[in-house]
Amino acid sequence: GIQVEQSPPDLILQEGANSTLRCNFSDSVNNLQWFHQNPWGQLINLFYIPSGTKQNGRLSATTVATERYSLLYISSSQTTDSGVYFCAVALYNAGNMLTFGGGTRLMVKP
Amino acid sequence: EAGVAQSPRYKIIEKRQSVAFWCNPISGHATLYWYQQILGQGPKLLIQFQNNGVVDDSQLPKDRFSAERLKGVDSTLKIQPAKLEDSAVYLCASRVGRGGRVDTQYFGPGTRLTVL
Repeated sequence: GIQVEQSPPDLILQEGANSTLRCNFSDSVNNLQWFHQNPWGQLINLFYIPSGTKQNGRLSATTVATERYSLLYISSSQTTDSGVYFCAVALYNAGNMLTFGGGTRLMVKP
Repeated sequence: EAGVAQSPRYKIIEKRQSVAFWCNPISGHATLYWYQQILGQGPKLLIQFQNNGVVDDSQLPKDRFSAERLKGVDSTLKIQPAKLEDSAVYLCASRVGRGGRVDTQYFGPGTRLTVL
């Protein structure tokens, strides 16, 4: 099956700092989503981004499908950004079944 | 718009007991998924439904796990008998999923299962 690798696995930031999270995947995909899992376990959709660039407030994401990677940018981080960030992908003709990466665990300190 | 609903939120059982989880997807969503998330890992897909039919259950441990989606709306996931390694969060997700389009999956809050 498809392999999804996220880096770094753990990240500690001071409030106000910027960061870049990376997601590499091993095959062509027609779906890529970024999620934030908050400390209560809820998975929150951040971006649906199989290709291109999107921005939503302090967050932005870029997927380069031909090179099989996606980046999530967090600017001016806040303590509420803490949690686990997951990248998930689905293969073409795979019924939109998502395969998740291992996640990046982010802690933002005040 | 109401999100994906799941119940119960927490469940503690002893090994060899049975347990059932319930999911109500977003209204109008044809596709429903069940995922298992073990502590420290990303969610893993167990089963996918399209309306009331199973699309893929290749990763469902069918000797002990079963799932159904009668009438193409609500779904239940059952474990019988439970093992210690079934301790995990069980997540339900749904998407519009009509006409073969690729679109966003939305997740419920999950059910945290502890097997003692």
